[in-house]
Amino acid sequence: TQLLEQSPQFLSIQEGENLTVYCNSSSVFSSLQWYRQEPGEGPVLLVTVVTGGEVKKLKRLTFQFGDARKDSSLHITAAQPGDTGLYLCAGEKAGNNRKLIWGLGTSLAVNP
Amino acid sequence: NAGVTQTPKFQVLKTGQSMTLQCAQDMNHEYMSWYRQDPGMGLRLIHYSVGAGITDQGEVPNGYNVSRSTTEDFPLRLLSAAPSQTSVYFCASSYSTGGNEQYFGPGTRLTVT
Repeated sequence: TQLLEQSPQFLSIQEGENLTVYCNSSSVFSSLQWYRQEPGEGPVLLVTVVTGGEVKKLKRLTFQFGDARKDSSLHITAAQPGDTGLYLCAGEKAGNNRKLIWGLGTSLAVNP
Repeated sequence: NAGVTQTPKFQVLKTGQSMTLQCAQDMNHEYMSWYRQDPGMGLRLIHYSVGAGITDQGEVPNGYNVSRSTTEDFPLRLLSAAPSQTSVYFCASSYSTGGNEQYFGPGTRLTVT
């Protein structure tokens, strides 16, 4: 059972377009992390959101944690080829802080 | 700081062979873990450790052993390689728990023929 559903699974867009990817669950998480993974490398943390309704911005990337702490979204404004990669969300369930629950990821390709 | 290092980067094994994937971190992190990443399956936790001398199983531990004799090192041993173990393996560490920010190594791509 996949507790964190990410959508879309694949996304191919042109440079300059905006996009949103989603991370959804029926479970409540105490925090949620977003990572980006480039080919041949390990995932790298982008942001952690902790509070329901929280919005965090990282340059052209905007992250939102749902009010009920069951879902999150990542919005990229004016995508660039350097944004290409696999975007992974991972949730920490309350009382289960020894393991993260991982989504399968959204593979983003930004074409010049 | 080198962060999390893994060796080798690539490895080809024959069915039945054994090997050890090495992982080291220089950030004095207590928590270390091993994942495998497969298409359509995502990252799956193999084993983890909350400190030197303490290890526990993740969701896919069969066929793998670990030990944690020092804070820095967390090797993963494949006892008798099988084609189903063909995957990309990542070692990760974090400050105190599995829920904290994970620092990943560059990965080992293993092929078992």
